[in-house]
Amino acid sequence: EAGVTQFPSHSVIEKGQTVTLRCDPISGHDNLYWYRRVMGKEIKFLLHFVKESKQDESGMPNNRFLAERTGGTYSTLKVQPAELEDSGVYFCASSQGPPAGGTYEQYFGPGTRLTVT
Amino acid sequence: AQSVAQPEDQVNVAEGNPLTVKCTYSVSGNPYLFWYVQYPNRGLQFLLKYITGDNLVKGSYGFEAEFNKSQTSFHLKKPSALVSDSALYFCAVRDWGTGFQKLVFGTGTRLLVSP
Repeated sequence: EAGVTQFPSHSVIEKGQTVTLRCDPISGHDNLYWYRRVMGKEIKFLLHFVKESKQDESGMPNNRFLAERTGGTYSTLKVQPAELEDSGVYFCASSQGPPAGGTYEQYFGPGTRLTVT
Repeated sequence: AQSVAQPEDQVNVAEGNPLTVKCTYSVSGNPYLFWYVQYPNRGLQFLLKYITGDNLVKGSYGFEAEFNKSQTSFHLKKPSALVSDSALYFCAVRDWGTGFQKLVFGTGTRLLVSP
């Protein structure tokens, strides 16, 4: 079974440019999450999809970040325009089961390292 | 709000010795606790979880964790460390605030096992 995949693995862009990160969850996983780790700090939750619906986007930093999940399959996270503080590693995770009440583990992808210069 | 703390940025241990990576938590309600490991250039891998039941939880790669409610701790342990255990370890707790499954992570602890 293929794991969670993310593309690209590394992106270097200039401040003000746009970047789109992609995540392909494990097949059949309805739940998809985005997290971010800024250098040396904790991994922070960004948002949670159940199928194509956003269930919780309380962690999105601001309106420069836009996440979508087309048809409940893969997801994209667009940063426009990028700022220096957006640099970090963006992780995607997926899990089975209902959005609440379950104890399903989240399976993480390898992350996308975003560097904004 | 739920939170976890990993007080050590790095833990150094010699191969063959026991290891402990510390984690303390603060939650309202029952804690759902997790340990994940990140090897270089890899994603986070699930190691183990505590939901309920026995305070000693066994997980992957010979790791185990001890849940201590009175000390609000969930330390990760292994009886005999391997050089290949060198990696970044994250403790996490499920955030019940919104009723969903988002995880709140600690800052991570780098484990370095020397030959």
